Amino acid sequence: ETGVTQSPTHLIKTRGQQVTLRCSSQSGHNTVSWYQQALGQGPQFIFQYYREEENGRGNFPPRFSGLQFPNYSSELNVNALELDDSALYLCASSAGTSGRRETQYFGPGTRLLVL
Amino acid sequence: AQKVTQAQTEISVVEKEDVTLDCVYETRDTTYYLFWYKQPPSGELVFLIRRNSFDEQNEISGRYSWNFQKSTSSFNFTITASQVVDSAVYFCALSEIRTGNQFYFGTGTSLTVIP
Repeated sequence: ETGVTQSPTHLIKTRGQQVTLRCSSQSGHNTVSWYQQALGQGPQFIFQYYREEENGRGNFPPRFSGLQFPNYSSELNVNALELDDSALYLCASSAGTSGRRETQYFGPGTRLLVL
Repeated sequence: AQKVTQAQTEISVVEKEDVTLDCVYETRDTTYYLFWYKQPPSGELVFLIRRNSFDEQNEISGRYSWNFQKSTSSFNFTITASQVVDSAVYFCALSEIRTGNQFYFGTGTSLTVIP
């Protein structure tokens, strides 16, 4: 069974640029959630995708957007990067079923540094 | 308001000592789920346990045990006979049926086991 994978592992961008992060979900999982983890903090929920549609969003501005593909992999896009966007971005997959809270399994993350 | 509080920011213990990590949560839901994750220096969050609000039985898994008490809204985690490999940041998380699909994470407790 393949776990959650993310790419790239590290990324350096400058303020104002755009970035795309990618995530492949664990085999058999149809739900992907994205989290931002600033240094020394717990992960903060960005949004979740279930069967290719956004299924919940945290307190993040619209410049954070995402996609889920038919194979359940996902992308996180961030436009107009700001210095505060520097963080570890974690993707988690789960076998989503409406009304239940399935365990989320996390990938290794992408470390983004905005200069 | 913080839904999950991990008051212990950092803990250091000597190998073979027992250590308890505290987690206090806040919710108005009657149905919710609690989780513990371990984050080693590599960054990937590793799932340890999932508990639903209707199951207050304590759980033991090897050297790990969990004490869930609804009366005090706590879900504490004990490591018995700690080992150096237990050194990591540990996160407690809450998922509520009412507020959608996001996980609310605490700020984490950094555990250092000294050989």
